[in-house]
Amino acid sequence: NAGVTQTPKFRILKIGQSMTLQCTQDMNHNYMYWYRQDPGMGLKLIYYSVGAGITDKGEVPNGYNVSRSTTEDFPLRLELAAPSQTSVYFCASSLQGPGTGELFFGEGSRLTVL
Amino acid sequence: QQPVQSPQAVILREGEDAVINCSSSKALYSVHWYRQKHGEAPVFLMILLKGGEQKGHEKISASFNEKKQQSSLYLTASQLSYSGTYFCGTRWRQAGTALIFGKGTTLSVSS
Repeated sequence: NAGVTQTPKFRILKIGQSMTLQCTQDMNHNYMYWYRQDPGMGLKLIYYSVGAGITDKGEVPNGYNVSRSTTEDFPLRLELAAPSQTSVYFCASSLQGPGTGELFFGEGSRLTVL
Repeated sequence: QQPVQSPQAVILREGEDAVINCSSSKALYSVHWYRQKHGEAPVFLMILLKGGEQKGHEKISASFNEKKQQSSLYLTASQLSYSGTYFCGTRWRQAGTALIFGKGTTLSVSS
């Protein structure tokens, strides 16, 4: 049971570059989420999805894009990376709907933008 | 809006008790508690749904006062393994909203 798998674990980007953080889960969960975590600020919701083809903005969506073409995958795209996007990114999934079920988190992706 | 957690940090000796509070300015549907160890992902502790439920997890329990829009996490007879950062996550009563987390409370337990 892999659970929620994120790649890459670490990445350094230059300002203006783009990249995609990959997230896949093997628990057949309909609900998936992207959070970012900055020191002392807790977890901020970027985007979430309630099923294939359906996504919605969270608290801090600017500078990011998502897609959900399959139940398993929920990639997060960073366009024109900025130093403010330096953070640890966590992908999560849940069996039950947003805010009603346990979140299963991936191990995180640490991104540095220089 | 982000729920407000207090205190920001707690320092305990093994065997002591602690209470961590979480409050929201909006009517809540549920409150969730997670613990995160340094360098790791958050791990689920418990969910409390509206209705004033109190749930427990080993020596960790929590309450939810939906009238006051507050939840409290109770850690009794703390162990070294309890050290970490505790986050509350709240979902508002408005449908379609996802979990929003507080800034966290760092708990340090020493022997």
